[in-house]
Amino acid sequence: AQSVTQPDARVTVSEGASLQLRCKYSYFGTPYLFWYVQYPRQGLQLLLKYYPGDPVVQGVNGFEAEFSKSNSSFHLRKASVHWSDWAVYFCAVSPVGGRALIFGTGTTVSVSP
Amino acid sequence: NSKVIQTPRYLVKGQGQKAKMRCIPEKGHPVVFWYQQNKNNEFKFLINFQNQEVLQQIDMTEKRFSAECPSNSPCSLEIQSSEAGDSALYLCASSPPGNQDTQYFGPGTRLLVL
Repeated sequence: AQSVTQPDARVTVSEGASLQLRCKYSYFGTPYLFWYVQYPRQGLQLLLKYYPGDPVVQGVNGFEAEFSKSNSSFHLRKASVHWSDWAVYFCAVSPVGGRALIFGTGTTVSVSP
Repeated sequence: NSKVIQTPRYLVKGQGQKAKMRCIPEKGHPVVFWYQQNKNNEFKFLINFQNQEVLQQIDMTEKRFSAECPSNSPCSLEIQSSEAGDSALYLCASSPPGNQDTQYFGPGTRLLVL
């Protein structure tokens, strides 16, 4: 069955430090992959998306993600975290265009001074 | 930033009451999705539309959930008889033509069933 696993429920990182959020997917075929961010009391905002092609994808606000078919992973990275990055991050997979997204359960990122 | 509009932002209902929420997709976006996000951050896809037609939906065997996307009117999701377990954030998303892989979300309607 198609699924997304985010193994880290919560991550605390110092402001200015680097960040990596892990995402593993289970999907038969080539998926479309997404990272969304949810700030408190808001909806989901798209950070970046992967379509088959270059495995490294650039997103907004300095985020990037790397697709690995061999590891079934789509990890999110940021070189230097800002306090405004305090949020919940969701990885999602979509089988084909126009279909429902399958989400992981999110990773809460806390930023310490 | 997404321009999907959802109203109301908060909805409080008693058990057995109807709960109705609305969504205006981004202008020109023909595909609309509804999801339920519970307090454990588990997402449940409910239904999606292309223009006014249903594309996919879960098996709403309880028949308590209904949705529509009439032309020239907001889309809506209605729970006929709310239950405590329906308390969640209901998210609406829309996708543009030619890029239906990407969904843009509204801020959600947070439903609390007392």
